[in-house]
Amino acid sequence: AQKITQTQPGMFVQEKEAVTLDCTYDTSDQSYGLFWYKQPSSGEMIFLIYQGSYDEQNATEGRYSLNFQKARKSANLVISASQLGDSAMYFCAMREGVRSSASKIIFGSGTRLSIRP
Amino acid sequence: SQTIHQWPATLVQPVGSPLSLECTVEGTSNPNLYWYRQAAGRGLQLLFYSVGIGQISSEVPQNLSASRPQDRQFILSSKKLLLSDSGFYLCAWSQRTSGGGYTFGSGTRLTVV
Repeated sequence: AQKITQTQPGMFVQEKEAVTLDCTYDTSDQSYGLFWYKQPSSGEMIFLIYQGSYDEQNATEGRYSLNFQKARKSANLVISASQLGDSAMYFCAMREGVRSSASKIIFGSGTRLSIRP
Repeated sequence: SQTIHQWPATLVQPVGSPLSLECTVEGTSNPNLYWYRQAAGRGLQLLFYSVGIGQISSEVPQNLSASRPQDRQFILSSKKLLLSDSGFYLCAWSQRTSGGGYTFGSGTRLTVV
């Protein structure tokens, strides 16, 4: 069965420093997608970045990059030059069987990131 | 462009009362639709998903039900709320033929008292 693990319940980082949020996953499927979402205190879920299991290069979106290590089944999120507005809950997620119309996304338990000024 | 609307934003309901949360999507057709629940400070738990009108799959046995009366409308219901039904409910949609991510609604914060 698919599973997402985020081992860091909370993190404190100084503003302008880079931060890495850990995520490991477990799946028996060869085709899957990995996602990161940001949830500020307002509750909305904001999509940040996506990595497909067959993508050879790590995904990047502005200050966000995904450190994808397929053999280790890890998909860590790296935020460069952190900003106060980055303070939020961050969820790692996975979608198995991406070719199936009924595939679903499961979420990890999240990491609460707090940026110190 | 596609948009997703979810209401109400907040709701306080007494134990034993009924519930109806509505979610609608605009700007697309044949979407996959999802209901998630998030307990305070926790991750998201998938409750129901739908790949078409009248097609509902339940992930977790519970006091809730879902319906999809129209292609772009997804409703979460309960006949009698329990205290344990309190939480943050999120509706989401995705393209049926894509392995991409979901777009979420703004959520409903439900407190059962």
